[in-house]
Amino acid sequence: TQLLEQSPQFLSIQEGENLTVYCNSSSVFSSLQWYRQEPGEGPVLLVTVVTGGEVKKLKRLTFQFGDARKDSSLHITAAQPGDTGLYLCAGSETSGSRLTFGEGTQLTVNP
Amino acid sequence: DAGVIQSPRHEVTEMGQEVTLRCKPISGHDYLFWYRQTMMRGLELLIYFNNNVPIDDSGMPEDRFSAKMPNASFSTLKIQPSEPRDSAVYFCASSIGTGGNEKLFFGSGTQLSVL
Repeated sequence: TQLLEQSPQFLSIQEGENLTVYCNSSSVFSSLQWYRQEPGEGPVLLVTVVTGGEVKKLKRLTFQFGDARKDSSLHITAAQPGDTGLYLCAGSETSGSRLTFGEGTQLTVNP
Repeated sequence: DAGVIQSPRHEVTEMGQEVTLRCKPISGHDYLFWYRQTMMRGLELLIYFNNNVPIDDSGMPEDRFSAKMPNASFSTLKIQPSEPRDSAVYFCASSIGTGGNEKLFFGSGTQLSVL
């Protein structure tokens, strides 16, 4: 059983569309991170959220941490082909504990 | 900084052979992690070190897997003997501290195929 469930597993959209991907758990996390992984490379950290209800924006990407700190979402506005990749969420249940990764959402943005 | 460096990028070997994967973390980082990524199981933590000392190896699947960190700038993950089900991408990552808020820097991975 995955501690972090990500949905959808696969998403294929056209350039210019908006999308949201989700990261859910029954556990409470002290912090949650989002990474993007491109083919043939390792994951790269996009953002860390630590406060329930927190919203962070990174250009066209908006990250939200649920009020109860059990879930998170990533919204991309006007997606571009360069956004294509595997989006992974990772959570730490307590301060000092190691990160647990979700299985990821594979996003393809078609030109 | 060149980032986390892993070698080789690709390894193809036959079942039963010994495989050694190598990692050079970012200078100054005190934590080093070995992960395995597969389609079925996603990204799994195998083992991590703090200041060259193994802290948690509960993710190491079997005794066939071993990892060492002889100094702050080098770590190895060894599989002996290798089996086809070990085929995966193995990532090394390093960070300053570990507490959930730290930023993990990943290498480009080693694609291992065991035939």
